Amino acid sequence: HVQLEQSGAEVKKPGSSVKVSCKTSGETFNTYNIAWVRQAPGQGLEWMGRISPVHEISNFAQSFGGRLTLTADTHTSTIFLELNSLRSEDTAMYFCATEGKGRFLQFLHDWGQGTLVTVSS
Amino acid sequence: DIQMTQSPSSLSASVGDRVTITCQASQDISKFLSWYQQRPGRVPKLLIYDASNLETGVPSRFSGSGSGTHFTLTISSLQPEDVATYYCHHYDHLPPAFGQGTKLVIK
Repeated sequence: HVQLEQSGAEVKKPGSSVKVSCKTSGETFNTYNIAWVRQAPGQGLEWMGRISPVHEISNFAQSFGGRLTLTADTHTSTIFLELNSLRSEDTAMYFCATEGKGRFLQFLHDWGQGTLVTVSS
Repeated sequence: DIQMTQSPSSLSASVGDRVTITCQASQDISKFLSWYQQRPGRVPKLLIYDASNLETGVPSRFSGSGSGTHFTLTISSLQPEDVATYYCHHYDHLPPAFGQGTKLVIK
């Protein structure tokens, strides 16, 4: 299993950006993809995007319209999510999760503890 | 994009009851469907993958079935600790998507 440790809660102003980190351990970093899922207060789960650290390829949900960037630091086994032009609707808990292996796209196996991002003026 | 529709949206059942939650995909997704349990205030937890494979450590009262567009999650004998919201999730192709969730409470 992979352990995922996310950065702490953030409070941001509308129009600003947020960067959330997800540090992994327990398995070789480049052997799995990482997905990001968010959950607005009282709402369901929303897939945001995913990154393949070894291939440096990312895929995103169209609903984020270019506001979302995913990067990987192989030296520290850390994945970063950056969301810009924040709106109040971006207030949510943000989760990173590992994808299972063996196929291009997989179920979500291990999850981080979540990072609460609050967007408020 | 594929839409995932769960039913019911909420469910009340008694301890010991057999509980079934369904998930319908708007297109054929073969077997690429997983189920997650999210207890109140907790992180989602993988229960079932590839439609019917039980994740290691998950109690055997949980089972999944289906293929194509229609899938079910069954709890054979409901326990108090099963109070949670359950989500299906397809990963057949990009973009993956979750169902809207089914909230399960004890009667």
